[in-house]
Amino acid sequence: EVQLVESGGGLVQPGRSLRLSCAASGFTFDDYGMHWVRQAPGKGLEWVSGINWNSAGKDYADSVKGRFTISRDNAKNSLYLQMNSLRVEDTALYYCAKDISRFGEPPFDCWGQGILVTVSS
Amino acid sequence: SYVLTQPPSLSVAPGQTARITCGGNNIGSKSVHWYQQKPGQAPVLVVYDDSDRPSGIPERFSGSNSGNTATLTISRVEAGDEADYYCQVWDSSSDHVVFGGGTKLTVL
Repeated sequence: EVQLVESGGGLVQPGRSLRLSCAASGFTFDDYGMHWVRQAPGKGLEWVSGINWNSAGKDYADSVKGRFTISRDNAKNSLYLQMNSLRVEDTALYYCAKDISRFGEPPFDCWGQGILVTVSS
Repeated sequence: SYVLTQPPSLSVAPGQTARITCGGNNIGSKSVHWYQQKPGQAPVLVVYDDSDRPSGIPERFSGSNSGNTATLTISRVEAGDEADYYCQVWDSSSDHVVFGGGTKLTVL
């Protein structure tokens, strides 16, 4: 069974950092691109960042570029999101998602259950 | 940046057909994907590449895409179809994934 499990969320003050992790199982991790998508409370889906199968290609939404860094460790079947200089508006449920190809493009055929990040003083 | 526009809400009676639109500049030239999200749950892919269905998705879900509008059609709507629906594309000019704002489908 394909499974994605996020961890690392929590309450953090504005300006601080947080690192999210996503543990993948049930598929050959290094055959697929991966993404982070977030959803602010009561709002729609917002793509945050994507990475291709071998980490050669990384893309970021304008709202997080320069503050967030996506990475992956294929040996550990894990995806990461390093979030620096966090802002109140980064408060959201963060989902890890798998795409159907190596290239880091949609669609996303598997999603984790999400991890909550709350940025507040 | 590329923008996808969806109606915020749509109400349909059980057994009727729901058509959820997704507007974008020349969206017909892109591959459109659709997700269903029920309250408290992660999104689920229901249609990809305009009109293909992942395994396990009922045939009642179908899609089309032409010109400036893509459409997700749900035939014979059931109470269990009540959810938020999002369209999605890849914008190759910016290398960004783009989501529509979402449509809340209410089954009367």
